[in-house]
Amino acid sequence: DAGVIQSPRHEVTEMGQEVTLRCKPISGHDYLFWYRQTMMRGLELLIYFNNNVPIDDSGMPEDRFSAKMPNASFSTLKIQPSEPRDSAVYFCASSLGETGGKGYTFGSGTRLTVV
Amino acid sequence: AQSVTQLDSQVPVFEEAPVELRCNYSSSVSVYLFWYVQYPNQGLQLLLKYLSGSTLVKGINGFEAEFNKSQTSFHLRKPSVHISDTAEYFCAVTPGGSYIPTFGRGTSLIVHP
Repeated sequence: DAGVIQSPRHEVTEMGQEVTLRCKPISGHDYLFWYRQTMMRGLELLIYFNNNVPIDDSGMPEDRFSAKMPNASFSTLKIQPSEPRDSAVYFCASSLGETGGKGYTFGSGTRLTVV
Repeated sequence: AQSVTQLDSQVPVFEEAPVELRCNYSSSVSVYLFWYVQYPNQGLQLLLKYLSGSTLVKGINGFEAEFNKSQTSFHLRKPSVHISDTAEYFCAVTPGGSYIPTFGRGTSLIVHP
């Protein structure tokens, strides 16, 4: 398996622009997670899906952030409009199973820079 | 609610020396415990996990960790490190029955030649 695939690897955009980050989870995994990593706050869970349904989006910082999972093999995280403080590395992770004992498989991340 | 404390933000060590990265957690219920490693410009990779049974857990790349329930700790160890072990290490805790881990802030292991 190719693992969790994220695109793009790097994104530089101007403040106010829309940004869309993409994730393809491991085939067969039924949970998908979006995390944000910054030096100040470490790893933050933004939202997670189970069987394509959003379960908990309490970590989404503002209404400017939205996430979708239209099918089992694809998810997007959108920021509109983007702001400099959104600059971070965004990770997607997927996992299989109903309990927390299996651990996650992370993608390589998207490094977002908003100027 | 649970919390995870990684006591050292940075651990410098010379090649072939032993290393211990410390992790303490707080939780009112039984937990699953994990260590992840993040190499530069990459995502997190599962290093090892403790679910139940033997308190000494062996992982990839020669790392091991010991679960100590009385001290609520899950320290990561390696008897002899390599330059290639230079990375960020994250401890994570998931309450049994839950699905969402809490991650520590990470410890940067820097191996010098």
